[in-house]
Amino acid sequence: DVKVTQSSRYLVKRTGEKVFLECVQDMDHENMFWYRQDPGLGLRLIYFSYDVKMKEKGDIPEGYSVSREKKERFSLILESASTNQTSMYLCASSLSGAGYTDTQYFGPGTRLTVL
Amino acid sequence: GESVGLHLPTLSVQEGDNSIINCAYSNSASDYFIWYKQESGKGPQFIIDIRSNMDKRQGQRVTVLLNKTVKHLSLQIAATQPGDSAVYFCAETLDSGYSTLTFGKGTMLLVSP
Repeated sequence: DVKVTQSSRYLVKRTGEKVFLECVQDMDHENMFWYRQDPGLGLRLIYFSYDVKMKEKGDIPEGYSVSREKKERFSLILESASTNQTSMYLCASSLSGAGYTDTQYFGPGTRLTVL
Repeated sequence: GESVGLHLPTLSVQEGDNSIINCAYSNSASDYFIWYKQESGKGPQFIIDIRSNMDKRQGQRVTVLLNKTVKHLSLQIAATQPGDSAVYFCAETLDSGYSTLTFGKGTMLLVSP
């Protein structure tokens, strides 16, 4: 089974703090994704990566950055946390197919509260 | 998480009934579709997928139907159980290898014993 793990289930930070959310997958997947999930807005893509050292902006990248130094690890960084970044953050990974898209498998999520 | 279900359409069924959850997708060019289940406080869990060269695919107690003419996807759950209570949402994408998923808002399924 695919396993995607996230470093924290719950996190509380203060406005202005730098926040790191870590995601690790154990299935040698090329693709990794960061989403946030908010009531009424569904899942929104923040950033994704198709390979080590590569990153692509998603739909809502403002206020976030990412790092992918190793294939299995994809980090989401909030440079200066703000209250509107309070949300559930979900990491996902998928295989990279030659001409096809594969299923994304999700981690358990990190519920971040910014005070 | 616990707040995911707010503002969502809700389907309430009795244990043992068959459930049908519908999804209208947005992009007529989409050709790969996935259904996810999300329980309270957990991440989305893959249920079943279908590519556009099929109009029906069956899994264990679940069936996905695809009607590309009207851009409609449905998930049928047979003999629904209380453990099936969750938010279900569909996702669509282009089956090209470098496409991102577009997610529906979801439907909350409530199963009463």
